Amino acid sequence: QPVLTQSSSPSASLGSSVKLTCTLSSGHSGNIIAWHQQQAGKAPRYLMKVGGSGYYNKGSGVPDRFSGSSSGADRYLTISNLQSEDEADYYCETWDSNTRVFGGGTKLTVL
Amino acid sequence: EVQLLESGGGLVQPGGSLRLTCAASGFTFRNYGMIWVRQAPGKGLEWVSAVGGGGDTTYYADSVRGRFTISRDNSRSTLSLQMSSLRAEDTAVYYCAKLVDSGICYWGQGTLVTVSS
Repeated sequence: QPVLTQSSSPSASLGSSVKLTCTLSSGHSGNIIAWHQQQAGKAPRYLMKVGGSGYYNKGSGVPDRFSGSSSGADRYLTISNLQSEDEADYYCETWDSNTRVFGGGTKLTVL
Repeated sequence: EVQLLESGGGLVQPGGSLRLTCAASGFTFRNYGMIWVRQAPGKGLEWVSAVGGGGDTTYYADSVRGRFTISRDNSRSTLSLQMSSLRAEDTAVYYCAKLVDSGICYWGQGTLVTVSS
């Protein structure tokens, strides 16, 4: 089954940009992944799906500041013009025929 | 507007049972796979179980297989998770979620299950 490895937890300033990484394990580099945001004390929120070709498909109401991309086995979530409400845990998710996995999460701190 | 409302959580003793329910609205329930995901206190997300739109295809994580049973009632737009032989490590917030093209696209608000004596 696939394994997802997420980048270490970054800190970034208000108004800046940050790029989070989710890496697929060997043999699964073509998988689609989904990004989810979880603010403190809240349920997760679906942000977007990102495919191996770099296409991404955002959920309803997700601001234009959020975008996705990919390179090889890496899937990225880029957040531009950081706002205080972007401080959250970010999880990636993928699946195969009969299972699904989540990455360990990346905690984004907005300074 | 899609709404997923979980209920049924609470405090249960080790070895006990509990049934979670997720009431869905705002979409044609029978057309979508559904999933349960849990999150232990201070931990990340863990997939628990999934069911296809017709209810005849089910999947389970190794950690719950044989103890948990997922089901759905398409006439009532409800998803259920019957949990038995509960352990301390099953303590978590349980979320139901809607699947689109196999990926989670909408989350409920969650219900807390605490397994403790």
